[in-house]
Amino acid sequence: ETGVTQTPRHLVMGMTNKKSLKCEQHLGHNAMYWYKQSAKKPLELMFVYNFKEQTENNSVPSRFSPECPNSSHLFLHLHTLQPEDSALYLCASSQGGLATYNEQFFGPGTRLTVL
Amino acid sequence: QKEVEQNSGPLSVPEGAIASLNCTYSDRGSQSFFWYRQYSGKSPELIMFIYSNGDKEDGRFTAQLNKASQYVSLLIRDSQPSDSATYLCAVRDNFNKFYFGSGTKLNVKP
Repeated sequence: ETGVTQTPRHLVMGMTNKKSLKCEQHLGHNAMYWYKQSAKKPLELMFVYNFKEQTENNSVPSRFSPECPNSSHLFLHLHTLQPEDSALYLCASSQGGLATYNEQFFGPGTRLTVL
Repeated sequence: QKEVEQNSGPLSVPEGAIASLNCTYSDRGSQSFFWYRQYSGKSPELIMFIYSNGDKEDGRFTAQLNKASQYVSLLIRDSQPSDSATYLCAVRDNFNKFYFGSGTKLNVKP
């Protein structure tokens, strides 16, 4: 595997379900991000982890719970979601810290539909 | 709130022409600037990054940065129908946060 991978690629869940999205980066990066992209809306930053520590929670509802066990893996745990949470969820990674050269790379995304 | 502004378009250009995409940002302390291409239903793909004032060329793409004017642009020479996509401008601050514009939709007509 290369780059940033995400599983599953598609997910349909009911409002009472609990599911998790997984992201893995194979780039040796130290920062990982979750973004939400709804139809015809700009990217919304949800969470940022730098060196496994959460450094940003962008006022995200508690029904979204991130987990970063190490610098290569990032999870987004979902429970009691609402239909308006249906969106493309994107994981990204970058070098982290204050590195000057710090490009951010995205995974393919998980298309989530909440019924 | 740090903002990144882009014209949403659509920007329509004929095949073979130069497409010019523009972006302005509000945070003078921004350090790094990026252009992503996003096809419908796909994730953003990094196509250019620029850190210093001036121009940076990579194949048919040229990124231009003017920090004094807080302006960054992307030129696509010899535009192809396959370049039709939404182009996202992104800016990184000193805290490793990335701010994205809402994107400009480019249509290249054969």
